[in-house]
Amino acid sequence: RKEVEQDPGPFNVPEGATVAFNCTYSNSASQSFFWYRQDCRKEPKLLMSVYSSGNEDGRFTAQLNRASQYISLLIRDSKLSDSATYLCVVKGGSYIPTFGRGTSLIVHP
Amino acid sequence: DVKVTQSSRYLVKRTGEKVFLECVQDMDHENMFWYRQDPGLGLRLIYFSYDVKMKEKGDIPEGYSVSREKKERFSLILESASTNQTSMYLCASGQGPRQPQHFGDGTRLSIL
Repeated sequence: RKEVEQDPGPFNVPEGATVAFNCTYSNSASQSFFWYRQDCRKEPKLLMSVYSSGNEDGRFTAQLNRASQYISLLIRDSKLSDSATYLCVVKGGSYIPTFGRGTSLIVHP
Repeated sequence: DVKVTQSSRYLVKRTGEKVFLECVQDMDHENMFWYRQDPGLGLRLIYFSYDVKMKEKGDIPEGYSVSREKKERFSLILESASTNQTSMYLCASGQGPRQPQHFGDGTRLSIL
């Protein structure tokens, strides 16, 4: 079983739609969680950290469910510029993060 | 803002050459990492360093070595480049086990 799993997609949604991605992790001792965004042929960029109580940054909401061992990312009012690959990252208390392989999002007019 | 700078965006080398990829960060981070990213395989950790002159193997260290003589600089060395090392190479830095990593722009390396 992979340590961090994501649906690769692609998720194909119209502008203005709400879309959600989940990411499951296998290490119950995981302590830190992040979402990154990666554009085609570019480096991953930190989108947001995920806190236990859930957190919001504009149109983006991240949540953590420790009991079921998954994190989620919700994007409201999707923009064309949101088209990218979204990487889930989990850290288990060491310096080494575990990356998911990413979920591809395509927002169309 | 954290700045991680990789020396080259694009690089073309020949089989058998010794190749140096340089990475510099400006945030005094203790931890630095080298990854490669290939289609369908995601990010794979090559080497990491948690202090000056310290290095640890990641998941795919074969054919690579690293050097960290100064805190801000982490170099990846391909001892004898081979075509299967054609890839996107990403450097990252971070501070502490609960902090996120920050990536450089990446180097697209082609070995001919």
